[in-house]
Amino acid sequence: GQNIDQPTEMTATEGAIVQINCTYQTSGFNGLFWYQQHAGEAPTFLSYNVLDGLEEKGRFSSFLSRSKGYSYLLLKELQMKDSASYLCAALDSNYQLIWGAGTKLIIKP
Amino acid sequence: IAGITQAPTSQILAAGRRMTLRCTQDMRHNAMYWYRQDLGLGLRLIHYSNTAGTTGKGEVPDGYSVSRANTDDFPLTLASAVPSQTSVYFCASSSRDRDTDTQYFGPGTRLTVL
Repeated sequence: GQNIDQPTEMTATEGAIVQINCTYQTSGFNGLFWYQQHAGEAPTFLSYNVLDGLEEKGRFSSFLSRSKGYSYLLLKELQMKDSASYLCAALDSNYQLIWGAGTKLIIKP
Repeated sequence: IAGITQAPTSQILAAGRRMTLRCTQDMRHNAMYWYRQDLGLGLRLIHYSNTAGTTGKGEVPDGYSVSRANTDDFPLTLASAVPSQTSVYFCASSSRDRDTDTQYFGPGTRLTVL
């Protein structure tokens, strides 16, 4: 079956760094997405990885290892506005997104 | 219009009633999707359309139907609503560019079935 695993909840301190992990098992693989979703709002696109390695975009970076079925989202210099859920999703061989349940990130002052 | 719009924003519906959720995009995206999001379960695909005139079933299609008469619109119909269909519904679209197939989401419809 197809499956995405990510932690349910994480807590971090303002100004710190946090890493949110995601493991996936899909029928074929065409890339890994990370989305941010603030409470009561729609998911918004953060990053896309299809090749192994680290993609950096400002304070956010995303890493992919295809051989391990593993990705992480790294958030640096955390701000209170980063409090949100972070959704990991893998694109399968049919180009359908398989979604994780999301990681709720709580930022404390 | 910029991006994807959904209507209504929220709705309370009596069980057994018929309801259509509307979704319109102005990005000329080929593919469109309907998801439901329930606490702790993440996003689940209901139906999708890869291009105008075609539709397909997702993970949880029962009790829902869709149509794709043109590129811009992708309505979702609940023929006879049941309380288990209480959820937040998101419409999304993507270009179906094979280099990346980023999905962009509408603001959602919060539906309560009593």
